[in-house]
Amino acid sequence: AQTVTQSQPEMSVQEAETVTLSCTYDTSENNYYLFWYKQPPSRQMILVIRQEAYKQQNATENRFSVNFQKAAKSFSLKISDSQLGDTAMYFCAFMRRETSGSRLTFGEGTQLTVNP
Amino acid sequence: GAVVSQHPSWVICKSGTSVKIECRSLDFQATTMFWYRQFPKQSLMLMATSNEGSKATYEQGVEKDKFLINHASLTLSTLTVTSAHPEDSSFYICSARDRGLAIQETQYFGPGTRLLVL
Repeated sequence: AQTVTQSQPEMSVQEAETVTLSCTYDTSENNYYLFWYKQPPSRQMILVIRQEAYKQQNATENRFSVNFQKAAKSFSLKISDSQLGDTAMYFCAFMRRETSGSRLTFGEGTQLTVNP
Repeated sequence: GAVVSQHPSWVICKSGTSVKIECRSLDFQATTMFWYRQFPKQSLMLMATSNEGSKATYEQGVEKDKFLINHASLTLSTLTVTSAHPEDSSFYICSARDRGLAIQETQYFGPGTRLLVL
């Protein structure tokens, strides 16, 4: 079974600054995906970024980037130039890679607050 | 594209009644839909996996007779909370996987349904 751990229940950052959210996972799989989702106060789950484990290059999406360390089983999210709209709960998630699809395993979440 | 809707967005019901929640994929066909439950300030807990035309697979500890799931078509799955009690009050979220993708790694989430049982 896979487990995902987010050790920071809450974090805060000043607007325009950079913040990094931590995530570690445990798996015996070699082929998998990792995700970061955000859940703003509306509670709609929004995909932020996705990383394929077989790719060494870290994924980036505009102000969002990841530091994927496969050997260490670490998958942190860096948010640059933080904006007030980034305030949300952030969930790290794991999925095995298979053609028929697989379930997501979520971490406990990190509540990020961006202060003006 | 890849929009998932849920209806209703919130519902209040009396204890002992049954409540049905619909999850629809609006612009794609979903081979698999997932149902989650989320308590305030907590993570999503997978309740069951729903495959079109077959019985749902429930996670350990989830009562299948309590939470009835029907995936009747490639665009619709329903969750019925039978004989609801106050402890069933929660936020229920569905997600769907696009059958058109070769590697079905992306789940699209609905906006959720808030259930309050009085």
